Amino acid sequence: SNELTQPPSVSVSPGQTARIACSGDALPKKFVDWYQVKSGQAPVLVIYEDIKRPSGIPERFSGSSSGTMATLTISGAQVADEGDYYCSSPDSDGNQWLFGGGTKLTVL
Amino acid sequence: QVTLRESGPGLVKPTQTLTLTCTFSGFSLKTSGMCVAWVRQPPGKALEWLALIDWEGDKYYSTSLKTRLTISKDTSKNQVVLTMINMDSVDTGTYYCARRDVVAMTDAFDVWGPGTNVTVSS
Repeated sequence: SNELTQPPSVSVSPGQTARIACSGDALPKKFVDWYQVKSGQAPVLVIYEDIKRPSGIPERFSGSSSGTMATLTISGAQVADEGDYYCSSPDSDGNQWLFGGGTKLTVL
Repeated sequence: QVTLRESGPGLVKPTQTLTLTCTFSGFSLKTSGMCVAWVRQPPGKALEWLALIDWEGDKYYSTSLKTRLTISKDTSKNQVVLTMINMDSVDTGTYYCARRDVVAMTDAFDVWGPGTNVTVSS
């Protein structure tokens, strides 16, 4: 199916590791990107092509992918990392791009 | 420095046509690999990809909205225009344009505009 599924919310204490999952049937053949959206702000790319980190993104952000599941990991999560996180990937035909339903990360 | 900025009417009436313009700088849509996409976010809801146009003028649309959308580019003005017909209240939200370079090291929506709010109301 042409869908990406994420948990609605993840909550961790400061300094703990946050993991946000994204599942989709096409993921074994397609790269996943991750975007951070803070309230009232435009999305920011934090991980692309499953595991790569753009310049300027802290090293505590990392990505992985296996089979139909991709995971965004935030090691030593900070209060500043709170926000909504979206996975994104092309559909199986590569003719449109999908976003997951988003995961609200709470760090407190 | 790559920047994008969306502009539009802010308020449209139901059944009207929405026209949004993305004005960008720091790159050219004549360059091989360059693309500009539109993404929207209704209040309290998820991001939704709408359309993308590439350097060759090829156009891609969301399957669920393709009958209502038209994307076009004016490379001389560094602009991409999105039109959406038959607007409804469910189309209310923030509309973003974003760049993607499919031949670059970073093949993702790497730079986004600040977004423009669209309200559909009579």
